[in-house]
Amino acid sequence: DQQVKQNSPSLSVQEGRISILNCDYTNSMFDYFLWYKKYPAEGPTFLISISSIKDKNEDGRFTVFLNKSAKHLSLHIVPSQPGDSAVYFCAASVTSGAGSYQLTFGKGTKLSVIP
Amino acid sequence: NAGVMQNPRHLVRRRGQEARLRCSPMKGHSHVYWYRQLPEEGLKFMVYLQKENIIDESGMPKERFSAEFPKEGPSILRIQQVVRGDSAAYFCASSPLAGGAEQFFGPGTRLTVL
Repeated sequence: DQQVKQNSPSLSVQEGRISILNCDYTNSMFDYFLWYKKYPAEGPTFLISISSIKDKNEDGRFTVFLNKSAKHLSLHIVPSQPGDSAVYFCAASVTSGAGSYQLTFGKGTKLSVIP
Repeated sequence: NAGVMQNPRHLVRRRGQEARLRCSPMKGHSHVYWYRQLPEEGLKFMVYLQKENIIDESGMPKERFSAEFPKEGPSILRIQQVVRGDSAAYFCASSPLAGGAEQFFGPGTRLTVL
């Protein structure tokens, strides 16, 4: 029963182009979403987050879009750079009530940015 | 401005031995979380602790696993009588607040059980 799904295990993008990473969730109680970036042999690094009261959040080259009706979010990276090559994890949480501290992760999407 | 620290980074144990994983949260953070990542999987929540309290251990296996976060010193994840299936990367995260706050992760401990 995977509550957070990243259906693309991998993605290749040319340097300078847009990278779009997708994430779907099934638990309608989730109201806070995060993206983490992970290099091999390192811990996940927080990138950007979005609350369910918003549909977009932007931070430099990174933008996260949230479509609550579709239970879908996406991370856009523009322009993509070779240093962006990593595994990207989508995570979700419930901000109140039981379990409000657990992050539920997807399996990740490996992004390769080709120079 | 140190981040979350974990040690050891790599740990090799034989079946039946004990594994102790340590985590020091970021300065000013009093909430600690442990996650486990199996190969080709996402991170799975194990336990959430505050100083001297286990708040939620619903993600911990029922036997052999325990965690603590004493008043002084790091948080410890202890695995007794390790088995090969315990081989994984164990990540610790900390946050200044509970719920709705970003969690900041350490570099992880890679446990290999021979």
